[in-house]
Amino acid sequence: GQQLNQSPQSMFIQEGEDVSMNCTSSSIFNTWLWYKQDPGEGPVLLIALYKAGELTSNGRLTAQFGITRKDSFLNISASIPSDVGIYFCAVLNNDMRFGAGTRLTVKP
Amino acid sequence: NAGVMQNPRHLVRRRGQEARLRCSPMKGHSHVYWYRQLPEEGLKFMVYLQKENIIDESGMPKERFSAEFPKEGPSILRIQQVVRGDSAAYFCASSLGQGAIEPQHFGDGTRLSIL
Repeated sequence: GQQLNQSPQSMFIQEGEDVSMNCTSSSIFNTWLWYKQDPGEGPVLLIALYKAGELTSNGRLTAQFGITRKDSFLNISASIPSDVGIYFCAVLNNDMRFGAGTRLTVKP
Repeated sequence: NAGVMQNPRHLVRRRGQEARLRCSPMKGHSHVYWYRQLPEEGLKFMVYLQKENIIDESGMPKERFSAEFPKEGPSILRIQQVVRGDSAAYFCASSLGQGAIEPQHFGDGTRLSIL
């Protein structure tokens, strides 16, 4: 079946550092999404990507939809403590499939 | 706040009891999705419903689990004769439309614990 490989599984960084995480798929998808989940809460949509090669920013977050439509990355610049959480990539077809998540810890 | 509302936030049941989880979608959304999340894992799709119809239940266990989204009222995920392995966080999401262009918006989940 469709499988999303998200990496890294976890990251421990210092406040102020930049972060990069990515997601790859064995299948082509036309929509890639990035969500963030805080402890005890539901995922919150960060960025939605609809076009191959598209680069989209949301504040300090930047995400790109790979030209092959099989991958996407998310960058966070100048991390701050509230960036802590789990970041999930997801793909939309007729339903949505999630990656396993990247757990981000930011040390002040 | 017109976000996706789930209740209860926490539910404790003994083995063999029934669990009912409720989800009210965002205002104007007629597509509802249920997901299950185990600790340290991603969300696993269970079922997709529109009003009064189940569109895709490929992720739902064949036994003990059922879902509905009636014409009036919230969507309900029902788990009969719960077992320890049903302990998880169950998330509901809703979207305005269906398919590859409508992102889903999530509630804060129901954490089900089975004693």
